[in-house]
Amino acid sequence: GQNIDQPTEMTATEGAIVQINCTYQTSGFNGLFWYQQHAGEAPTFLSYNVLDGLEEKGRFSSFLSRSKGYSYLLLKELQMKDSASYLCAVRDGGGGDYKLSFGAGTTVTVRA
Amino acid sequence: DTAVSQTPKYLVTQMGNDKSIKCEQNLGHDTMYWYKQDSKKFLKIMFSYNNKELIINETVPNRFSPKSPDKAHLNLHINSLELGDSAVYFCASRPITGRNTEAFFGQGTRLTVV
Repeated sequence: GQNIDQPTEMTATEGAIVQINCTYQTSGFNGLFWYQQHAGEAPTFLSYNVLDGLEEKGRFSSFLSRSKGYSYLLLKELQMKDSASYLCAVRDGGGGDYKLSFGAGTTVTVRA
Repeated sequence: DTAVSQTPKYLVTQMGNDKSIKCEQNLGHDTMYWYKQDSKKFLKIMFSYNNKELIINETVPNRFSPKSPDKAHLNLHINSLELGDSAVYFCASRPITGRNTEAFFGQGTRLTVV
């Protein structure tokens, strides 16, 4: 199974940068996803990492170190609309035998 | 033209009742899931189906019975509802091919058992 840990809450100022860390332990790693979830809404996909390194997508970047079981999501130039829960998810297996396990999520509050 | 749609969005019912939640995806995906998100916002996988076949069953009480009449639909029937079943249930789908394919989620069904 997976143990996925991420901080419960983070607060930052509009325009600032916030880094959300995620550590995991898994029996068969096959990719790590970050999702954004606004209150009362569905999770939406942000990024995917399967190889070590940094993936950049506009204001959002995600980093992975497989040897350390560690990832982070970096949110730059924070905007008020970035206030949401950010979910780290690890995929175990592939093809039809596909299990995506989520961490408990990090609630990010952006203040003016 | 919603990609993954669930009905109903809200469901309030009494303990002991039986209820169903429906899910349909028009993305042509082969794999569908049910997740439960509790009050602490923890999103936990319940079931996974691939082409109408059950692939993952995460030790869910057998009061919960998923049914997949075709690969575009995955419904969830819950018997003898309990207070602890109150949660938001999310349906999701994913194409089977492609390593970096993400799951697409429906808007969720907020179930309240009173």
